[in-house]
Amino acid sequence: GAVVSQHPSRVICKSGTSVKIECRSLDFQATTMFWYRQFPKQSLMLMATSNEGSKATYEQGVEKDKFLINHASLTLSTLTVTSAHPEDSSFYICSAPDRAGSSYEQYFGPGTRLTVT
Amino acid sequence: GQSLEQPSEVTAVEGAIVQINCTYQTSGFYGLSWYQQHDGGAPTFLSYNALDGLEETGRFSSFLSRSDSYGYLLLQELQMKDSASYFCAKMTTDSWGKLQFGAGTQVVVTP
Repeated sequence: GAVVSQHPSRVICKSGTSVKIECRSLDFQATTMFWYRQFPKQSLMLMATSNEGSKATYEQGVEKDKFLINHASLTLSTLTVTSAHPEDSSFYICSAPDRAGSSYEQYFGPGTRLTVT
Repeated sequence: GQSLEQPSEVTAVEGAIVQINCTYQTSGFYGLSWYQQHDGGAPTFLSYNALDGLEETGRFSSFLSRSDSYGYLLLQELQMKDSASYFCAKMTTDSWGKLQFGAGTQVVVTP
C-alpha cells in the first residue's frame, strides 16, 4: 500500500517556541492531506484539510494563525505549531488518500508526539 | 458532541467473536470506515462500507445499514494481537478522504 511518513517522530520544545512537522507521501501524489490531533486515550480530531497550491481549510475551533499549514508540493504538507504552550502537547497525525488507487483507504503517517515544556 | 457513537471498551477471550457497533449522524454521510490503532501507533485501515451489507476481509468483517444509520465491525477468532483501539469513521461528502472519527472502542483480549 501507499506510504506516508512524518518527521520528526518526537519533539520536545520550550513554551513559546515554534515547531514544524512534515508529512510526506512517499510513493504517490496527494493533492489533499489531513491533519489530526489525538490526546491520550481519546479519538482523532480533525484539525484541518491541507490543499496543494491553496489555503488550508480549518475545522471549527482550530486557530489558523496558531497552526500554520503549507502544502507546497504534491508530496509534502507541513504543520507549524506557533508559540507552543503545554496544552498543545499531543500526538499529531497526518493522512492522505491515494486518489489514483481504487480503495477508500486513508494512509496515515506514523505520527509526531509533541511535548511542550 | 460526538457524531458517531461506539462502546468505550470490550473484553473477550482468545478465539472469541466481538462485535463493535457504531451509530452515526446522517448529515454529510458518504461511507463508514473502520480503523485499528495500537498504543502509540498510527491508525491502520480495516474496512469500508458505502452500501448496505457485509464486507468480509479475513477475520474482520464490517456491516452497514444506511436506513438505520448503523454499522458494526466483527472481529472473529480473536488473537492477543487484536488488543487495540478500533475506530469507526464517517467519510463525509464535503472533501474526499475527510474523516470524522468515533471515540474509539478499546478491545482487550485475554488468554
